[in-house]
Amino acid sequence: QVQLVQSASELKKPGASVKVSCKAYGYTFTTYAMSWVRQAPGQGLEWMGWINTNTGNPTYAQGFTGRFVFSLDTSVGTAYLQISSLKREDSAIFYCARGIWVGGPFDYWGQGSQVTVSS
Amino acid sequence: QSVLTQPPSASGTPGQTVTISCSGSGSSVGTKNVNWYQQLPGAAPKLLIHSNNQRPSGVPDRISGSKSGTSASLAITGLQSEDEADYYCAAWDDSLNNWVFGGGTKLTVL
Repeated sequence: QVQLVQSASELKKPGASVKVSCKAYGYTFTTYAMSWVRQAPGQGLEWMGWINTNTGNPTYAQGFTGRFVFSLDTSVGTAYLQISSLKREDSAIFYCARGIWVGGPFDYWGQGSQVTVSS
Repeated sequence: QSVLTQPPSASGTPGQTVTISCSGSGSSVGTKNVNWYQQLPGAAPKLLIHSNNQRPSGVPDRISGSKSGTSASLAITGLQSEDEADYYCAAWDDSLNNWVFGGGTKLTVL
């Protein structure tokens, strides 16, 4: 069955980098777009952008340019989110979510990866 | 501040009907499909309604969605304790070229 399995929680110091993975199971990886969604502590959902799994072309939402990078390894059906120069306010749960196209609903979500930035 | 507006909370007793509203703009809810997500405590969001009123397989028919103009609604009839969760509406926004979410509604079953 379809599953998106994300990497485990991370504790990082300010200024460090983190790379979150999202491995897809149960479907052809390149037939669905992959989005990333942030949920800050006690807050709602915020779309960070998406990556075209056919071309590898990423698109970033406003507020997620510069330090955020989406990438793929299609050989293992995995999407990645890398965040550099971490700040305390980056602490959040990050979800990957697939959609049939960028404008389609997110029909499957990863379980979430908690990133905590603290000295 | 979220682009789509939802009430922060809603409540009902078992068996009752609860409706959650979602208000947007002409570039989002007014012209695009609305999707609803349920987030149980400590869990990832789950697609509940897509394309305004379509239920994915496995979602019970006591859950329904509707849309009129720039507003959408999620209705849950025969409220059950397991419906206690946060509910989010979402729509693509053509002006922002972005998915936008509501701020979420925390549903409490009394």
